[in-house]
Amino acid sequence: NAGVTQTPKFQVLKTGQSMTLQCAQDMNHEYMSWYRQDPGMGLRLIHYSVGAGITDQGEVPNGYNVSRSTTEDFPLRLLSAAPSQTSVYFCASSRDGQVREQYFGPGTRLTVT
Amino acid sequence: GQQVMQIPQYQHVQEGEDFTTYCDSSTTLSNIQWYKQRPGGHPVFLIQLVKSGEVKKQKRLTFQFGEAKKNSSLHITATQTTDVGTYFCAGPRGGAQKLVFGQGTRLTINP
Repeated sequence: NAGVTQTPKFQVLKTGQSMTLQCAQDMNHEYMSWYRQDPGMGLRLIHYSVGAGITDQGEVPNGYNVSRSTTEDFPLRLLSAAPSQTSVYFCASSRDGQVREQYFGPGTRLTVT
Repeated sequence: GQQVMQIPQYQHVQEGEDFTTYCDSSTTLSNIQWYKQRPGGHPVFLIQLVKSGEVKKQKRLTFQFGEAKKNSSLHITATQTTDVGTYFCAGPRGGAQKLVFGQGTRLTINP
């Protein structure tokens, strides 16, 4: 199993550009989530999904969209990038609809200029 | 705002010294999880505590969950250079469908 994969590893965007961060898992996990990590702030939940077709907002959802059309994939869309979205983004999954042991992907380092 | 507070934010120790990080929640937690993130890496799950007063050990690491299930600690005995990294606690919110992380404690070690 590859576990949780994320692409790209690094990305530089200009203010106002849009892009999609990809996340996939091959463990048949129901629960998937997106976090951003900023210095001194820990990991903050952006959006999560408890199963295909179901998504909900986390602590910091503004400026981001998600969808969950399959169990495996959970892409994160930045609609109009802003410098405040410069961060490291982690995707995670866990076995079922409750928050259990999270398996994290390797992360995407995003810089918005 | 942050609902799970973790202290200290940074800790530097000599190799062989002990290390402890503390986690406090404003509300009772159904469980608490601990993660380790190596520099440049991603968080990796260490353990989950569920019961009031629970104590679990993993080699030199000892995890405790408070009697009121509002605080937790991670203690490392005789640190080694492989222990370097940031340690996070995390607790569920929103009907156990959201995980809220503490700010983390970054551990550095002088060999």
